[in-house]
Amino acid sequence: DAGVIQSPRHEVTEMGQEVTLRCKPISGHNSLFWYRQTMMRGLELLIYFNNNVPIDDSGMPEDRFSAKMPNASFSTLKIQPSEPRDSAVYFCASSLEQALGGYTFGSGTRLTVV
Amino acid sequence: KQEVTQIPAALSVPEGENLVLNCSFTDSAIYNLQWFRQDPGKGLTSLLLIQSSQREQTSGRLNASLDKSSGRSTLYIAASQPGDSATYLCAENNAGNMLTFGGGTRLMVKP
Repeated sequence: DAGVIQSPRHEVTEMGQEVTLRCKPISGHNSLFWYRQTMMRGLELLIYFNNNVPIDDSGMPEDRFSAKMPNASFSTLKIQPSEPRDSAVYFCASSLEQALGGYTFGSGTRLTVV
Repeated sequence: KQEVTQIPAALSVPEGENLVLNCSFTDSAIYNLQWFRQDPGKGLTSLLLIQSSQREQTSGRLNASLDKSSGRSTLYIAASQPGDSATYLCAENNAGNMLTFGGGTRLMVKP
């Protein structure tokens, strides 16, 4: 398995533009997580899906952020409109139910909003 | 709300030393605990996973222990090498299947 695959690796966009981050979890994993990492706040959980259903989105900062998981092999995190304070590294992770085998993280998307 | 604390925040040691990184957590209903390594500008690499029923796990020069009663986990690195330089993160998984991360320990091993 190629692991958790995220795209793009880097994204630079202007304030106000829409940004879409993509994630392909490990085949067979039924839980998917989106995290954001910044120097100031460390790793923060944004949203968690189980069997393609959002379970906990309490970490989503505001309505500008939305996430979808249309099927077991694909998820998106969208920011519209983007702001400079959204600049961070966004990680996607997947696991089996109850994380019996632990979490596997993707390589992340480094987002810069100018 | 669960809290995970890692100390020290940064550590610099000469090559060859044995060292211990500490992680403490407040949630007694821990399901498992995972240690990760993160190199600058990179993603998280899983090092060790300890289930709540286990007391320790070993992989090569790494050994992680878990003491639920005291809310502590330690990562022991034997005979440290410059290639071990990275940030080490511990993360607790509660029964809700969500990871709570500590702030990390930034390790530098000097040749």
